[in-house]
Amino acid sequence: TQLLEQSPQFLSIQEGENLTVYCNSSSVFSSLQWYRQEPGEGPVLLVTVVTGGEVKKLKRLTFQFGDARKDSSLHITAAQPGDTGLYLCAGGRATDSWGKLQFGAGTQVVVTP
Amino acid sequence: KAGVTQTPRYLIKTRGQQVTLSCSPISGHRSVSWYQQTPGQGLQFLFEYFSETQRNKGNFPGRFSGRQFSNSRSEMNVSTLELGDSALYLCASSPGTTGTGTQYFGPGTRLTVL
Repeated sequence: TQLLEQSPQFLSIQEGENLTVYCNSSSVFSSLQWYRQEPGEGPVLLVTVVTGGEVKKLKRLTFQFGDARKDSSLHITAAQPGDTGLYLCAGGRATDSWGKLQFGAGTQVVVTP
Repeated sequence: KAGVTQTPRYLIKTRGQQVTLSCSPISGHRSVSWYQQTPGQGLQFLFEYFSETQRNKGNFPGRFSGRQFSNSRSEMNVSTLELGDSALYLCASSPGTTGTGTQYFGPGTRLTVL
């Protein structure tokens, strides 16, 4: 059982459309990271959020951390083929050591031209 | 700064053999964590090393072990390989005591067990 539940599992959209990926948990996290992973490569960090209610924007990507620090969302505006990849959310809990992250199962995003 | 490096990138072994994977963290990072990624289970935490000591361990059998050296480089070892050990093994580093706990990943080692 994943501590972090991601939805949807798979998303296929056309270039120019918007998309949102959700990451939910019943646990409180002291920090939450979003990564994007290409096939056969390691996850690449997109953003870290640490404050409940925090919103961060990275060009066309908007990340939000829930007020209770139990959930997060990633919104992509006007998606491009280069946004294709596996999006992973990962959380660090205060009860774990710094070096342990809990990962969601991931959302596979495919953006077609 | 140079990123996290892992060697080798690809490995093919047969059942019963053992394997050692290597990870060099970002300069100045003292924490190194290892994860196993498979299509069915996603990313699963193996263990974390900080200042040459194992600080946290996931739910993996004792065949999986690791160590960290004084320069923070880390190795993980899997003995008596099983078919189910085929996976992408990822190493991640972080400062370990400050910041947000964000981890930075290497490119991974793809292990195939035949």
